[in-house]
Amino acid sequence: GNSVTQMEGPVTLSEEAFLTINCTYTATGYPSLFWYVQYPGEGLQLLLKATKADDKGSNKGFEATYRKETTSFHLEKGSVQVSDSAVYFCALRTFNNAGNMLTFGGGTRLMVKP
Amino acid sequence: DTAVSQTPKYLVTQMGNDKSIKCEQNLGHDTMYWYKQDSKKFLKIMFSYNNKELIINETVPNRFSPKSPDKAHLNLHINSLELGDSAVYFCASSSGTNTGELFFGEGSRLTVL
Repeated sequence: GNSVTQMEGPVTLSEEAFLTINCTYTATGYPSLFWYVQYPGEGLQLLLKATKADDKGSNKGFEATYRKETTSFHLEKGSVQVSDSAVYFCALRTFNNAGNMLTFGGGTRLMVKP
Repeated sequence: DTAVSQTPKYLVTQMGNDKSIKCEQNLGHDTMYWYKQDSKKFLKIMFSYNNKELIINETVPNRFSPKSPDKAHLNLHINSLELGDSAVYFCASSSGTNTGELFFGEGSRLTVL
């Protein structure tokens, strides 16, 4: 079956530090990969995505590259801000007649201190 | 306008009671979902409906019964609530196109005492 594994948090960083949140996956076929972000008290929002190998998704200074050889989709940001404090979820998508079936990782909480 | 809205946002109730959570989306999407997020933030798909038809029904007790009166609404009814049902329940929707993006509601925090 499909699965997503993320590094456990919380990850605590100072403002302007470099961020990496690791994500690896197991899937049949060629899934699309996503990062979602959940700010306190809110639902999840799509942060970025990549649909095929070697694609790089990017948004709001965050980046992740679809690495088929290592089955990874690590999230990076060069300089984090306090406002980036949230829970980040890696996910993969399989598409069938059920629509967009997303399998989520366990989430990684990021705390950025001023 | 809120794209995916859930009510109530908070729900505190006793074991054994029956409760419902409502969800509405105004995005014109064909597919709607219910996810359960436990205290450790793990998200697990419960149900998926496509054009009012049940498509995915993961291993969920039959005390949970989704109902979709039309494709803009997917309600979740829970009978005989148990302590382990305490969680945040998220409704989501997606379009029929192959984008993979789900739009989530803000969640409904259920606490069973």
